[in-house]
Amino acid sequence: GQNIDQPTEMTATEGAIVQINCTYQTSGFNGLFWYQQHAGEAPTFLSYNVLDGLEEKGRFSSFLSRSKGYSYLLLKELQMKDSASYLCAVKDSNYQLIWGAGTKLIIKP
Amino acid sequence: GAVVSQHPSRVICKSGTSVKIECRSLDFQATTMFWYRQFPKQSLMLMATSNEGSKATYEQGVEKDKFLINHASLTLSTLTVTSAHPEDSSFYICSAKDREEASPLHFGNGTRLTVT
Repeated sequence: GQNIDQPTEMTATEGAIVQINCTYQTSGFNGLFWYQQHAGEAPTFLSYNVLDGLEEKGRFSSFLSRSKGYSYLLLKELQMKDSASYLCAVKDSNYQLIWGAGTKLIIKP
Repeated sequence: GAVVSQHPSRVICKSGTSVKIECRSLDFQATTMFWYRQFPKQSLMLMATSNEGSKATYEQGVEKDKFLINHASLTLSTLTVTSAHPEDSSFYICSAKDREEASPLHFGNGTRLTVT
């Protein structure tokens, strides 16, 4: 079956760095997405990786290793507004999106 | 960036009535739109894939006669929850993508449905 694993919840301190991991087992791979979702709101797009390596976008970076079926989202200089759920999603060989359950990130002052 | 408009954002209806939710892509043509349902503290659950001009493809376990989807144009898809029951209360989110495979999904703001 297809599976995406990410931690259920993480806690970090304002101003610090946090890494949210995502491992996947899917039938084929056509890209990995990270989305941010604040409570009661729809997800918003953060990043897209299709090749191995690190993609940097401001305070957020996303890394992909296709051979390991692994990605992480790195958030630097954490702000209180970064408290949200972070969803990892993989597009499989049929270009269907497989969603992880999301990681709830709690930022403490 | 691409914008998807979803309306209404909140709706309260009585059991047995029907509710229609609209999803519009405002600045791009969405040949495919997706309808998701999300329960509290859970991830997105794909309900159906809506293709312009053809019948929607429903995921296993989703009743197509209860959740009617119409994708009449390249910019509009609607989800109608028919004969709503309290267990249909949920957060419904639409998303759309443009033609390029590498493009991300663009989400509407979601609709909070409460059936009393």
